[in-house]
Amino acid sequence: QVQLQESGPGLVKPSETLSLTCTVSGASIASYFWSWIRQPPGGELEWIGYIYYPGSTNYNPSLKSRVTISLDTSNHQFSLKLSSVTAADTAVYYCARKMEGTGWYFDLWGRGTLVTVSS
Amino acid sequence: EIVMTQTPLSSPVTLGQPASISCRSSQSLVHSDGNTYLSWLQQRPGQPPRLLIYKISNRFSGVPDRFSGSGAGTDFTLKISRVEAEDVGIYYCMQATQFPLTFGGGTKVEIK
Repeated sequence: QVQLQESGPGLVKPSETLSLTCTVSGASIASYFWSWIRQPPGGELEWIGYIYYPGSTNYNPSLKSRVTISLDTSNHQFSLKLSSVTAADTAVYYCARKMEGTGWYFDLWGRGTLVTVSS
Repeated sequence: EIVMTQTPLSSPVTLGQPASISCRSSQSLVHSDGNTYLSWLQQRPGQPPRLLIYKISNRFSGVPDRFSGSGAGTDFTLKISRVEAEDVGIYYCMQATQFPLTFGGGTKVEIK
């Protein structure tokens, strides 16, 4: 059974860098596109970006200057770094997998992890 | 970026009755390859989103056939033929015709 699990600090100080990891089990990390998506409390979903082996990326222009997504195939993980965070970056962060085939459809999601930006 | 607008914001429904959610995009979702990349997701309380429908009308694996999607161009609809208690949640449309991928604001389905 394929599973995604987000991990990382639940509290980050303003101006610091948010760092999260998504661990993939049951699927080859080199065979799919992987994305990060976030959702502020009570708010809308926002796509952050994707990565594809060996390291091709595409980021949302609204976050591009602050985002880095990377791949660690040896540990079956991909990661998100978001720099210079503010309270507006407080959200549940999800990792998700693009379904095989044509078109971007997210067929598998992690349970999400809440990151709060506060001093 | 393509803006996705959903209506209504909330849809109180009687169990066993139908529900319908509309999603409109700020520009056509027909891709240069001829496909229309529109999907619907369901988010039950306290859970991550779950794929229901992809490419306008294709039900994802395990999705009950009471869910159906339709539409073309800029106007799309998700229908639940007979709402069950487990259908309570927020429903989102998502376009994948153009990056950045964008989502609708969500429609809350609740039981009257």
